[in-house]
Amino acid sequence: EAGVTQFPSHSVIEKGQTVTLRCDPISGHDNLYWYRRVMGKEIKFLLHFVKESKQDESGMPNNRFLAERTGGTYSTLKVQPAELEDSGVYFCASSQGEYQETQYFGPGTRLLVL
Amino acid sequence: QQQVKQSPQSLIVQKGGISIINCAYENTAFDYFPWYQQFPGKGPALLIAIRPDVSEKKEGRFTISFNKSAKQFSLHIMDSQPGDSATYFCAATSLLNFGNEKLTFGTGTRLTIIP
Repeated sequence: EAGVTQFPSHSVIEKGQTVTLRCDPISGHDNLYWYRRVMGKEIKFLLHFVKESKQDESGMPNNRFLAERTGGTYSTLKVQPAELEDSGVYFCASSQGEYQETQYFGPGTRLLVL
Repeated sequence: QQQVKQSPQSLIVQKGGISIINCAYENTAFDYFPWYQQFPGKGPALLIAIRPDVSEKKEGRFTISFNKSAKQFSLHIMDSQPGDSATYFCAATSLLNFGNEKLTFGTGTRLTIIP
């Protein structure tokens, strides 16, 4: 069974540009989470999808971040326009059900904004 | 405001020794405490988890000790091996949050096991 995949693995962009990150969860997993780790700090929650619906987006830093989950399958996270403080590793995780289900993480996308 | 505090930031242990990583939390609504292990270039992977109704959980060489009154929990790795060298994250969540089990993580501990 394929794990959670993320694309791209690395992205280097200039301040003011747009970047779109993609996450493909494990097939059949209804829950999809986005997290971010800024250098040396904790991994922070960004938002949670249940199927195609946003369940909780309380961790989204500001309106420059837009997340979508098309048809309840893959998800994209767009940053527009990117700022220096957006640099970090963006992780996606998925889980199957509603209760105490293991979250499986992807390898992350390393974003560097110059 | 960091809700889960983790220490130490880095740890070097000799092969065969015991590695101990500590975490403390503030939110009393947390009721599920997983530990994640991350190798370079990979995402975090669940290692072991505990609910607060027990004080200890052991899986092989890995043990979580939990102190509910002190709001602290720790990971012990017995007979540490070079293959255990990784970054370890403690985390916490509330399972009663209507299906939204978002994780609150500590800052991570980089563990190095030396031969």
